Order: sequence, then structure tokens, then C-alpha cells
Amino acid sequence: GAVVSQHPSRVICKSGTSVKIECRSLDFQATTMFWYRQFPKQSLMLMATSNEGSKATYEQGVEKDKFLINHASLTLSTLTVTSAHPEDSSFYICSARDSLRGPYNEQFFGPGTRLTVL
Amino acid sequence: AQRVTQPEKLLSVFKGAPVELKCNYSYSGSPELFWYVQYSRQRLQLLLRHISRESIKGFTADLNKGETSFHLKKPFAQEEDSAMYYCALQPGGTSYGKLTFGQGTILTVHP
Repeated sequence: GAVVSQHPSRVICKSGTSVKIECRSLDFQATTMFWYRQFPKQSLMLMATSNEGSKATYEQGVEKDKFLINHASLTLSTLTVTSAHPEDSSFYICSARDSLRGPYNEQFFGPGTRLTVL
Repeated sequence: AQRVTQPEKLLSVFKGAPVELKCNYSYSGSPELFWYVQYSRQRLQLLLRHISRESIKGFTADLNKGETSFHLKKPFAQEEDSAMYYCALQPGGTSYGKLTFGQGTILTVHP
């Protein structure tokens, strides 16, 4: 089956530093990937849609200069949290859809990345 | 904007009992509805989608457009069904692919 990986699984950083999270589709190509954020005991909230070869589209209220998304290849999207602050601490999850199966197939989710900003 | 509501944060049943996880939605168009499940220490995975009209692991869900509901049901719960369940809505048109999740329901099935 389709597998999506994320790296790192857990990261701790100091306030003011930037952190990059990778999302990879391991056995399929994904022209579109999605980034979600999950606060403790809360639901997943869509942050942005990552489009291969073009700019990401951000949901309302999500700062695009804060959360930089790059989708440079059909199997990799990266989310960079710039100048991280403690309030950015959260669980970040990506998902991807197999492009070759057409636009109506399911999304596959990564295992998530736990970011803690001290 | 669309919204998904799961009124029960926690749901406990005994093994063999019927279980129903509620999901209501609001959306002006024709949505696609999903149930996702997250077992302990595992990633989110698709359980079922309304357009498939299939039963997965004994679970079924019927889209009721009149009541704007998509409740998840299973006649006889098993201990291995214990997990977090999310109801999700996917709009059509240019927003296709953008999932809106409910708050989730933690199902615990006791032996």
C-alpha cells in the first residue's frame, strides 16, 4: 500500500530557530500534499496545500511567511517553521494522494512530527 | 465554510454491544464524507467513505443528507475497535482534497 513518511518524528528546538519537516511519499507520486496541525486532544486543522512545482495555498489564518512550504519533487514536500516560538509547539501531520490514481482517491497520512519549542 | 461536529469526545461500550459514533456536518454543497481511525501509536488511516457504500471491519456509515449526518455504526463492538475516530468532510470543486475534521471520538471497548 501507499506509504507516507515524515522526518523527523520528533524535534526540540530553541525559540527563534527554524525547523524543517520533510514529508515523503515512498512508493507513489504525489502532485498534491497537505499539511495539518494537531493540538493536544484536539482535531487536525488543515494548514496548507502543497503543490508540486508551484506555490502552496494556505488556509485562512495561517501565516505563509511563518510556515514555508516547498514541494520540489513529486515525492517530497517540506514544511519549515521559521523563527519558531513556544506557541508553534504542536503535532504536524502531512498527507499525500497518489497522482496516478486520479483526483478522487484517498489521502495517505504520515505518522506526524512532534515539534517542541523551548 | 464547512464544519464537522462529533458531539461525543469519549464513548465506552462493552464487547459485543452495538456502537454508534455520531457525526453531523454543515456544508452548502454536496460533500464527500469519511471516517478515519487512529489506533494507539499508529497513523491516521481511512476507515470508510460514503461513496464506497461498503462495510469495513464491520463498520458502516450512511450519509443522511436530510439530517446532515454520517454516523458510524457497528452492531457488535470488539476490543480491537478501541481507537480514536475522526469524521471528515471533503468539499467539491476547487477545494477538492481539503479535509475538514471533526473533533474526534475516543472509543473504548471493554472486555
